[in-house]
Amino acid sequence: DTGVSQNPRHKITKRGQNVTFRCDPISEHNRLYWYRQTLGQGPEFLTYFQNEAQLEKSRLLSDRFSAERPKGSFSTLEIQRTEQGDSAMYLCASSPRTGVMDTQYFGPGTRLTVL
Amino acid sequence: GNSVTQMEGPVTLSEEAFLTINCTYTATGYPSLFWYVQYPGEGLQLLLKATKADDKGSNKGFEATYRKETTSFHLEKGSVQVSDSAVYFCALRHSGAGSYQLTFGKGTKLSVIP
Repeated sequence: DTGVSQNPRHKITKRGQNVTFRCDPISEHNRLYWYRQTLGQGPEFLTYFQNEAQLEKSRLLSDRFSAERPKGSFSTLEIQRTEQGDSAMYLCASSPRTGVMDTQYFGPGTRLTVL
Repeated sequence: GNSVTQMEGPVTLSEEAFLTINCTYTATGYPSLFWYVQYPGEGLQLLLKATKADDKGSNKGFEATYRKETTSFHLEKGSVQVSDSAVYFCALRHSGAGSYQLTFGKGTKLSVIP
């Protein structure tokens, strides 16, 4: 069990550029989640996948954001035309298929800075 | 909607002091409740959880009891150590079918001094 991994760990970009983050969940975890955390706040839910199906999306996920999990394994989160307000830590979590009550295991996050 | 309110920090305690971090929630139905901890430079880790009223979650000397009558899930530890210095997040998971998202509080930073 190597844990949830995220790449890159840090990303600095200029306003208007597109960025893509990758999340590799714990192997055999079928559920994957994306959260966003800004300074001094708790994580806020963005979206959730069960296998390759995206089943929940937050209102925070504007049309500039898109997430995929094409083969039910790793996931990508893309932000198009980045804005300074997108600067945050983007967290990925995964959980096993253990029924209704399961534990989400978090990765170290990708810190995005938009200049 | 669902929300979690936890006491603002930072909290500074001396080693071996008693710790309480208050957490109250607003939710419909019967949410599951969690405490997560984030040590410096590390990702969020589950500390403890409780799934129904009067359940007590415990781990590493920390405890929290699910109190439905007061909608609270306060975190306690009898004797803190320097290694407990971290940010603590209270969270809930909505009880609705098919809903797996967690709603977090803002976090409480704890510093324990020798």
